[in-house]
Amino acid sequence: DTEVTQTPKHLVMGMTNKKSLKCEQHMGHRAMYWYKQKAKKPPELMFVYSYEKLSINESVPSRFSPECPNSSLLNLHLHALQPEDSALYLCASSQSGTRMDTQYFGPGTRLTVL
Amino acid sequence: TQLLEQSPQFLSIQEGENLTVYCNSSSVFSSLQWYRQEPGEGPVLLVTVVTGGEVKKLKRLTFQFGDARKDSSLHITAAQPGDTGLYLCAGGRSGAGSYQLTFGKGTKLSVIP
Repeated sequence: DTEVTQTPKHLVMGMTNKKSLKCEQHMGHRAMYWYKQKAKKPPELMFVYSYEKLSINESVPSRFSPECPNSSLLNLHLHALQPEDSALYLCASSQSGTRMDTQYFGPGTRLTVL
Repeated sequence: TQLLEQSPQFLSIQEGENLTVYCNSSSVFSSLQWYRQEPGEGPVLLVTVVTGGEVKKLKRLTFQFGDARKDSSLHITAAQPGDTGLYLCAGGRSGAGSYQLTFGKGTKLSVIP
């Protein structure tokens, strides 16, 4: 089983709303990632969690707040977003994140900020 | 920032034709992964290549990693409409305490029946 699940599949929110994106994997992977993908562009790395600790934050604005409650779950809390934050948000996981690993992606959450 | 250049950016071919997509960099990567992505969906892993000169076959798809581990190619034989999608290459490198992927911009393939 190489499945990474993400909820919700679609999300529409206003600029004053607070919402969360969720990601789950049961492959025993210890590294989890958040990517942002704009239309017709490749995925851009936002955050990396390795063994439930934040190891990479690619200069992401504080209106995006990641959380890793346990090794299977990864959340992305959203607050006071801007319309330009509308994108496909992808979660991925890999075995350890500290060595050569294949990353497996979830189906994504399509976010629209009004 | 390590760059991966993919070419061509767009490709439209007839069913049954062959095609090759290229992924090139000036940097060495520990591994290179190819993904296929449908609109609005996450990338689906096709293959990972790790050894310079490695060739992997997946049915009608043939993947090659360059000897110097700086480039890769994807060759599709007798393309089918089901092959339509965005093909992304991603190079892996260790750094800053984690293993990170750098994505190419993708090749959008359309196979016309």
